[in-house]
Amino acid sequence: AQSVAQPEDQVNVAEGNPLTVKCTYSVSGNPYLFWYVQYPNRGLQFLLKYITGDNLVKGSYGFEAEFNKSQTSFHLKKPSALVSDSALYFCVAGINKFYFGSGTKLNVKP
Amino acid sequence: SAVISQKPSRDICQRGTSLTIQCQVDSQVTMMFWYRQQPGQSLTLIATANQGSEATYESGFVIDKFPISRPNLTFSTLTVSNMSPEDSSIYLCSVEGGSEQYFGPGTRLTVT
Repeated sequence: AQSVAQPEDQVNVAEGNPLTVKCTYSVSGNPYLFWYVQYPNRGLQFLLKYITGDNLVKGSYGFEAEFNKSQTSFHLKKPSALVSDSALYFCVAGINKFYFGSGTKLNVKP
Repeated sequence: SAVISQKPSRDICQRGTSLTIQCQVDSQVTMMFWYRQQPGQSLTLIATANQGSEATYESGFVIDKFPISRPNLTFSTLTVSNMSPEDSSIYLCSVEGGSEQYFGPGTRLTVT
């Protein structure tokens, strides 16, 4: 079965510290990989995507993600977290049909 | 890019009734997707709707409960039929474009 795993329901970091939100996937072929963010009572916002090329992808708001084919992982990272980054983050994988991870709630404390 | 609008943005409905959600895209797209996001949960794909053919439903979702129309390349509707409180969710329309998925703002449905 195709699936995307986000092993952490919640990640807590202090403002200014680096953050990592983990994602692994089990989707056949060479799926496209995405990160989306959802703020309370708002729609999904695109952060970044990987299709091919450089394993380190840079996206919106200073976020980046590292693709690792051997580990089938696509972890989201940011060098210095902001309180305003606190939100729900979804990892997505697929081609034509897309599979969502369960989501990770990021809490950035001042 | 694609801009997606949904109507209604939210509704409160009584059990046993039906609600039709509209999705409008500002460009022509081949495939449209309907997702459900139950409270505190991730998104689950309900069905894929191609213009001119019947929608393809994911496991656990059936046409009688969630009939879908796709009359043209910019519009689709999802009906939630014979609603129960378990249908209380956010329903999102999505399209694919340029290797990216775009999402509508969602319809927040509460069934009492």
